[in-house]
Amino acid sequence: EAQVTQNPRYLITVTGKKLTVTCSQNMNHEYMSWYRQDPGLGLRQIYYSMNVEVTDKGDVPEGYKVSRKEKRNFPLILESPSPNQTSLYFCASSSNRDSLNGYTFGSGTRLTVV
Amino acid sequence: AQTVTQSQPEMSVQEAETVTLSCTYDTSENNYYLFWYKQPPSRQMILVIRQEAYKQQNATENRFSVNFQKAAKSFSLKISDSQLGDTAMYFCAFMKRRGGAQKLVFGQGTRLTINP
Repeated sequence: EAQVTQNPRYLITVTGKKLTVTCSQNMNHEYMSWYRQDPGLGLRQIYYSMNVEVTDKGDVPEGYKVSRKEKRNFPLILESPSPNQTSLYFCASSSNRDSLNGYTFGSGTRLTVV
Repeated sequence: AQTVTQSQPEMSVQEAETVTLSCTYDTSENNYYLFWYKQPPSRQMILVIRQEAYKQQNATENRFSVNFQKAAKSFSLKISDSQLGDTAMYFCAFMKRRGGAQKLVFGQGTRLTINP
């Protein structure tokens, strides 16, 4: 089944404790992206990657890091989480040849930073 | 930069009624895609319908249809014969049509409740 697998689904952590949210897709998509969803703000792009070893900032990149060492994986790293990073996070992927289908999304990670 | 605005934070209708969700966007692009995504309580993002800007004909998917007004930069979603399973958050989104995948720009969302 074509999918984006995102883990964990829920995560509670303390301020300053480094964490990684994993994302993997099995569709050979070139484009991958991370979004955060907050009430009243919709989904906002954090980082994106056009292909292996090519990453760039989105609209709200502060406090986040990403890497794209392999085509299928695109982890999101919070080096020193803070309470304002409490949010719902989505990983998504898309094919360069089929943009009309939009993105395939992961099932989301609910992160709480206390 | 592109922006997408959904001016209705919440809507509520009775089952079997027709409901229209509003979306406006701002762009200087001429070629682009527009999407409506549904997010039920499971929080999965589900593509409902999509529209190519160069096509004048409005897209339709079963009970879901859009009213695309390119000059007015408006892209509303109509749900006919609404069902309890349509209860969800709905997001309007914009993507430039360039060579390859591009950023999806989302609106703020509309929370739709279908009442029995």
